[in-house]
Amino acid sequence: GAGVSQTPSNKVTEKGKYVELRCDPISGHTALYWYRQSLGQGPEFLIYFQGTGAADDSGLPNDRFFAVRPEGSVSTLKIQRTERGDSAVYLCASSPSLAASTDTQYFGPGTRLTVL
Amino acid sequence: EDQVTQSPEALRLQEGESSSLNCSYTVSGLRGLFWYRQDPGKGPEFLFTLYSAGEEKEKERLKATLTKKESFLHITAPKPEDSATYLCAVSNQFYFGTGTSLTVIP
Repeated sequence: GAGVSQTPSNKVTEKGKYVELRCDPISGHTALYWYRQSLGQGPEFLIYFQGTGAADDSGLPNDRFFAVRPEGSVSTLKIQRTERGDSAVYLCASSPSLAASTDTQYFGPGTRLTVL
Repeated sequence: EDQVTQSPEALRLQEGESSSLNCSYTVSGLRGLFWYRQDPGKGPEFLFTLYSAGEEKEKERLKATLTKKESFLHITAPKPEDSATYLCAVSNQFYFGTGTSLTVIP
């Protein structure tokens, strides 16, 4: 069966540009999570959706970062005015139920973002 | 704020040499402690969830245990294919440790 997919797998951009990263969760999963992971670090939480709404966006580092999930399935993470410090692997995960705190999360392979 | 500390940062074992990885945590109201495996270039893969002190779970050569302050991932007679980074996370799964990079040498 299809797992979580993320596109693109790699994205290289220039400082100051706008980027969009896409996540396709497992079909039927209600919860969706975004993390970013720097080399040698664990995933850092960014935002979590239940259905179409952001249930917790406390991990977004600043207002340059924004995420949407308009139909409760695909999600897009948007980064404005990219900075070199935004370079990282951006991971998406989904889980099947409303009990997000105890659900198993299924991760995608990530999008590697490089800001030159 | 919930915090997770993993040790050691890196571990090299000979094939068959058993050992343990540690995950120490501080959290207000633990809802669960989660272990994941991550291979290079891939997303984390779920291994175990532990909910209360004293709980243990096993899968093949791996066994996870939980106390009120820490969790251990015991690896018995590891094989080279067990080489990976092992991550733990607590509470809403939003707080991950930095991981232990395990290398098993044939």
